[in-house]
Amino acid sequence: KAGVTQTPRYLIKTRGQQVTLSCSPISGHRSVSWYQQTPGQGLQFLFEYFSETQRNKGNFPGRFSGRQFSNSRSEMNVSTLELGDSALYLCASSLGRSGNLYEQYFGPGTRLTVT
Amino acid sequence: SQQGEEDPQALSIQEGENATMNCSYKTSINNLQWYRQNSGRGLVHLILIRSNEREKHSGRLRVTLDTSKKSSSLLITASRAADTASYFCATDKGGGADGLTFGKGTHLIIQP
Repeated sequence: KAGVTQTPRYLIKTRGQQVTLSCSPISGHRSVSWYQQTPGQGLQFLFEYFSETQRNKGNFPGRFSGRQFSNSRSEMNVSTLELGDSALYLCASSLGRSGNLYEQYFGPGTRLTVT
Repeated sequence: SQQGEEDPQALSIQEGENATMNCSYKTSINNLQWYRQNSGRGLVHLILIRSNEREKHSGRLRVTLDTSKKSSSLLITASRAADTASYFCATDKGGGADGLTFGKGTHLIIQP
């Protein structure tokens, strides 16, 4: 079974631009979560989607948004990029039926650098 | 905000020795999980322990959970060079609210 894939793997953007990151979950997984990892703040939860609906949301500004498609693939978008948005963005998938968070399968991440 | 706090922040041991990492958290949980991350890559799930369990084993891994102290420990026995990585504990409060809350991790170095 193929693992979680994320594209692109690396991205360099300029302040003020916007960016879209993509995540393809493991086949059969309907829950996709997104996390931001930085040296200073560590791993922080952005949001979780299940069956095309945002089920949970972390404490990030509205510049961070996401969506999930009918095939469970998910995208996250960051508008008006700031230097502080430079981070490794990780997505994770799971079956997600119960709403509780059990074993999560993480992708390799997208490393975003904002200059 | 970080719920889990790992201790120590870094640990260096000789190959073959055992490594113990600790995690503390602040609120009640549904389960606690441990993940490994190699050098800025994706996280790999190691083991999950539910709030009504006290100890769990998986291969060379042993996890304990003390909900009265809000703490957990991860023991890796007979360490190998390939165990060199960062280890994170993560808690689920139940219902997925706030997602998984991760600690800042313990960086483990296994000296050959």
